[in-house]
Amino acid sequence: DTGVSQDPRHKITKRGQNVTFRCDPISEHNRLYWYRQTLGQGPEFLTYFQNEAQLEKSRLLSDRFSAERPKGSFSTLEIQRTEQGDSAMYLCASSLVSGFGYTFGSGTRLTVV
Amino acid sequence: DAKTTQPPSMDCAEGRAANLPCNHSTISGNEYVYWYRQIHSQGPQYIIHGLKNNETNEMASLIITEDRKSSTLILPHATLRDTAVYYCIVSAYNTDKLIFGTGTRLQVFP
Repeated sequence: DTGVSQDPRHKITKRGQNVTFRCDPISEHNRLYWYRQTLGQGPEFLTYFQNEAQLEKSRLLSDRFSAERPKGSFSTLEIQRTEQGDSAMYLCASSLVSGFGYTFGSGTRLTVV
Repeated sequence: DAKTTQPPSMDCAEGRAANLPCNHSTISGNEYVYWYRQIHSQGPQYIIHGLKNNETNEMASLIITEDRKSSTLILPHATLRDTAVYYCIVSAYNTDKLIFGTGTRLQVFP
């Protein structure tokens, strides 16, 4: 297993467009997390899944954001009507247990112009 | 979750031990200390965690004071590849929401 894979690595989009990111976790990991990171800050929690169930969402996840994890495998994060403030690195992580041993992907860097 | 305080930056000579401090004076009895690091342009990487006993693995050692109000991450022989931002996180064991601060930027120099 090559770890957590995120696609695309970079995305440039115009304000108002919709974008979708994909995360493929480590296959045996049942927990999957999405974080957002802006320049100079640590990652901020957005949401997490246990298998296919989305169990927690941050207030940072406005109604323009939606995440899915069909069949408890890969996950997608969609941002509708992007705004310049959405420009950030979007990180996905997976784990078998809570708290430690998270494996992060290399992230998708979104630039909204 | 308890908050942590870390110095914003530190330097360390290659081959020497890097000692990264973290204050967590409001830690609760059931909260663990976790350390992650983030090398430039990569996602964070898990290093180590502990509750109250000192811990060691192939990457680092974690020393937690007896009152659990502070801890130190030790990289015994720092290399240039250890240059990264190091995050100290305090959280309950069964949490699924790690709260990252701004971390310590460790620069290892030749």
